[in-house]
Amino acid sequence: NAGVTQTPKFQVLKTGQSMTLQCAQDMNHEYMSWYRQDPGMGLRLIHYSVGAGITDQGEVPNGYNVSRSTTEDFPLRLLSAAPSQTSVYFCASSYTLSRAGGTYEQYFGPGTRLTVT
Amino acid sequence: SQQGEEDPQALSIQEGENATMNCSYKTSINNLQWYRQNSGRGLVHLILIRSNEREKHSGRLRVTLDTSKKSSSLLITASRAADTASYFCATDATGSNYQLIWGAGTKLIIKP
Repeated sequence: NAGVTQTPKFQVLKTGQSMTLQCAQDMNHEYMSWYRQDPGMGLRLIHYSVGAGITDQGEVPNGYNVSRSTTEDFPLRLLSAAPSQTSVYFCASSYTLSRAGGTYEQYFGPGTRLTVT
Repeated sequence: SQQGEEDPQALSIQEGENATMNCSYKTSINNLQWYRQNSGRGLVHLILIRSNEREKHSGRLRVTLDTSKKSSSLLITASRAADTASYFCATDATGSNYQLIWGAGTKLIIKP
């Protein structure tokens, strides 16, 4: 049971380049999400998904796209990288959500450290 | 927008002492969660406390929730060097549509 895996661990991009950050989980979680973490700040939600074929925007979605074709995978695409997207990106997943009880504990991947020059 | 705000931003104590961190939030919540992040690593879930609960324990961790004051505290007793990490609170606000909102964290340093 690998949990949540992310690739790559490190990436350097030039402004304007595009790339895809990969995220996979093997726990059959329905909920998956992408966050960015900047120095001195908490996590900010980029996009999330409550199941295959369903995605929605979080707090900071501009410049990023996501898709969820399977339960296991939730890739994050940077369309045209900008220096402001230099950050550490975390993918997380959790069990099925309960509207009555709110969210469950999140399982995090190890992160991708992205630098855009 | 940040829902949760941790206090203090940084805390340095001697090994064996207790560490207390606080989290304040702005709106009504379904639950509040605490996470730990070791340097350069992903976050690890510690405790989830629901809005109808007032206190929860897990090993050396004790979390309290005061919904009237919109605040929570995390107490780590008998601290160890391995507790050195950043601690974050995350709130699941009522009507937030599955979006957790995170505070900026408390950086805890345990001195041997």
